[in-house]
Amino acid sequence: AQTVTQSQPEMSVQEAETVTLSCTYDTSESDYYLFWYKQPPSRQMILVIRQEAYKQQNATENRFSVNFQKAAKSFSLKISDSQLGDAAMYFCAYRGDPNYGGSQGNLIFGKGTKLSVKP
Amino acid sequence: GAGVSQTPSNKVTEKGKYVELRCDPISGHTALYWYRQSLGQGPEFLIYFQGTGAADDSGLPNDRFFAVRPEGSVSTLKIQRTERGDSAVYLCASSLRGGSGNTIYFGEGSWLTVV
Repeated sequence: AQTVTQSQPEMSVQEAETVTLSCTYDTSESDYYLFWYKQPPSRQMILVIRQEAYKQQNATENRFSVNFQKAAKSFSLKISDSQLGDAAMYFCAYRGDPNYGGSQGNLIFGKGTKLSVKP
Repeated sequence: GAGVSQTPSNKVTEKGKYVELRCDPISGHTALYWYRQSLGQGPEFLIYFQGTGAADDSGLPNDRFFAVRPEGSVSTLKIQRTERGDSAVYLCASSLRGGSGNTIYFGEGSWLTVV
């Protein structure tokens, strides 16, 4: 079974600085997708960024970028120029690809990292 | 609607009672998911619908939990004989199709408290 591990329960960053959130995962599948979701107090999970495992290039979305190391099964999120609105819980998630014999394709989440942004 | 809508937002019920939680997915989305998020945890998968049928219900914890999607749009999660351990946020999500490449969009959840 696939697992996702986020080893940092809480992180803190100064406004305008850069912070990196860690995520590792375990799988025997060769094709899959990885995601970072943000969950503010409103509880709605908001997609921040996604990475297809078959793509070697790291995904980037404005101030958010990932460092995807497939061999190490590592998928960290870097937030640049942190803003007060970035404060939230961040969840790393894995989704297998049923087209390649993987799981049903449903999201498997880590336990989350609570990010605080100091003004 | 523009996003995934869930009702009620909050529900307090007594142990042993029956509860229904409703989800209205994004218009046109064929895939619908239910997740449960306990305090301090990430969401855990419960069930996945493709159209009207449950394509994967392997996450339902026991036979007290049941979900339907009779017309392929709105879904209802039903919990019988509620227990205190059922207290959690129940998140509904939808995607255009069921494949892994499709982005899953979440609602704001229904916070269930069993007293």
